[in-house]
Amino acid sequence: NAGVMQNPRHLVRRRGQEARLRCSPMKGHSHVYWYRQLPEEGLKFMVYLQKENIIDESGMPKERFSAEFPKEGPSILRIQQVVRGDSAAYFCASSPIQSNTGELFFGEGSRLTVL
Amino acid sequence: EDQVTQSPEALRLQEGESSSLNCSYTVSGLRGLFWYRQDPGKGPEFLFTLYSAGEEKEKERLKATLTKKESFLHITAPKPEDSATYLCAVEVEYGNKLVFGAGTILRVKS
Repeated sequence: NAGVMQNPRHLVRRRGQEARLRCSPMKGHSHVYWYRQLPEEGLKFMVYLQKENIIDESGMPKERFSAEFPKEGPSILRIQQVVRGDSAAYFCASSPIQSNTGELFFGEGSRLTVL
Repeated sequence: EDQVTQSPEALRLQEGESSSLNCSYTVSGLRGLFWYRQDPGKGPEFLFTLYSAGEEKEKERLKATLTKKESFLHITAPKPEDSATYLCAVEVEYGNKLVFGAGTILRVKS
C-alpha cells in the first residue's frame, strides 16, 4: 500500500522560473493538504483540496501560488516567478475523509531551492 | 491568533534518561491536539491525538498528556532510535487545518 508520493523530491529553480510540485495521495484518499516548512520554522498550512475543489486556501500567498486536484491525476502546487523566499520544503498530506482525528499521512516532501 | 509553542528547542539525552517535551497553545477553540514525529529528510509521522484535558495516550516509550493550556510528551527510557524532531499541532477548524509548533529536536546518545 503505497504512501503519499511527492515529486520531484528536490527541485532547483532560478528566480523568475516556475516550479510545479506534484502529489499523489494514498490510495482511497480524496482529501489533499499542502504545507510549507521553512528552515527553523514549523509547518505552515497552505491549502486543502478535494477532487476538483479547493476547500480552504487561506494559507496560500495571494500571488504567484496556485493549487489544483483534478479528477484524474495528482494534485499540483504551482509557484510562478519564484523568488528566493520560496525556498522551502513543501509537504503534501492526505486523508481518506474529512477526518477529525488530525491523522494526516504525509509524503516525504519536495525541497525547492531558488538560486 | 492561534499559536503553538514547543520547548525546549533541542534536547540531548543519554540512553535510558527519561524526560518530557512541552507544547503550550493559545487557540480560540481547541478541537484536538496532535503529536507527530519527523525524521531528517522525511515527512511527519502521526503519533497521537488528544481531545480533552486529562486525556492520556501511550505508545511504546512515549506517553502524551493534555491539560487546558499545554501538552506533554513523556519519553521513558529513550533509545537512540527515538532521536527525531517531535512536532505538536492543534486543529483550529474542522477540516484538518493544523497549526504546528516549531518542534523539539531530540537526540538520544547510547
